[in-house]
Formats: sequence, structure tokens, C-alpha cells
Amino acid sequence: DTAVSQTPKYLVTQMGNDKSIKCEQNLGHDTMYWYKQDSKKFLKIMFSYNNKELIINETVPNRFSPKSPDKAHLNLHINSLELGDSAVYFCASSQVIGSPNEQFFGPGTRLTVL
Amino acid sequence: GQNIDQPTEMTATEGAIVQINCTYQTSGFNGLFWYQQHAGEAPTFLSYNVLDGLEEKGRFSSFLSRSKGYSYLLLKELQMKDSASYLCAVVDSNYQLIWGAGTKLIIKP
Repeated sequence: DTAVSQTPKYLVTQMGNDKSIKCEQNLGHDTMYWYKQDSKKFLKIMFSYNNKELIINETVPNRFSPKSPDKAHLNLHINSLELGDSAVYFCASSQVIGSPNEQFFGPGTRLTVL
Repeated sequence: GQNIDQPTEMTATEGAIVQINCTYQTSGFNGLFWYQQHAGEAPTFLSYNVLDGLEEKGRFSSFLSRSKGYSYLLLKELQMKDSASYLCAVVDSNYQLIWGAGTKLIIKP
């Protein structure tokens, strides 16, 4: 059984396009996250949602818009893609916000902007 | 500001022992995680320390000293499959995870 799943696994697109990445968790967790991992392998938090509500919104361009239709899903939509957006995007989930819970990561989406 | 420091890269020999250090300065402390990340894969949980001392789990152990802002991950009887990046992450006072840049561990035969 897949705990945290993301689609697509690979995404290659042109500059200026709009794309979405989907994430789903079947762990019954309340909190979900989006991370960006660049070529230097630094894992940077982008957004955190708790029960469909935005909790953390780090300094991310407003071209990035998360959407959580329910607590099992957190999708990431990116408008007007730029070369610097090329990275691996990880979705993650944890049981409860406000306590040091282990985060479970999806397999990642490798985005390449040409 | 908040800061997590780890060595960028380490090399060790199969069968040996390696210690990966992590020092941190964060606003508050609610525990420290170690994650393992193989190339092209997602990070996976290894350990969690919130009290001082050593936690042992098979070939892997993790140590914490809160007064020194210091942790290490100890890997024994190294195997080739242990070649990966090891990420240190601290839970701050807002229960946010602050991530280190990771240590790439290369195991040689």
C-alpha cells in the first residue's frame, strides 16, 4: 500500500507553462507539506497544510499555489514556470501539527523547465 | 537565524564505523530527526531524539546533547547500501522542521 503518492514522477516542460503536481496520502494524517529540493540537495519547506488550512507559507513566489480539497490531498499548481523552478518537489505528511511527528515523504516529482 | 550544520560529504570503508555530526542553533528545541535519502529517492525516517543520550537501533545509533546543540548519527558495520545522504532536522519552538543540507556518505569496498 502506498502511503504518500505523487503524480507525475517526472515533468518536463517549457518556460512560461502552467503545471500541477498532485499528492495524496492514505495514512489518515492531518498535516501535509510541500518541499523543494534543489541541485544542492537542500530540502526547503514551501507550504504546510493542517486539515485543509494553510499553516506555513514560506517565502515562495505567488506563482506557486497549493490547494487542499480535503485533508488527504494537497496539490501544487505552478504558473509561468521559470528555469529556476527546476528541482525535485516532495510532498510529505505527518500525523498532527504542533508536535514533533515523523514526516512521511512521497517519491518526489522531478520538474525540469527548459 | 536558525542554522543546522553537517559535513557536506564523508567517505568510509565497507565494514567500518562512521560518525556523522550535526550542530544546530534554533529558536527552541522539540527534538531532532535523522533521515536517510538514497539518490533519486525520498527521505526516510531513521531516528528521533528529544532527550540527551544515545538511542540505538540495530546498526544505527543517534546521540543528542541539548546543552551543546549537537547530535551525531553512528553507523556500524557499514554496507554498500548505506551509501546515501543523511539529513539532520531539528523541530523548533513552533514545531517546524528545520533541515540541514545533508551529508553525502560514500562507502568504498
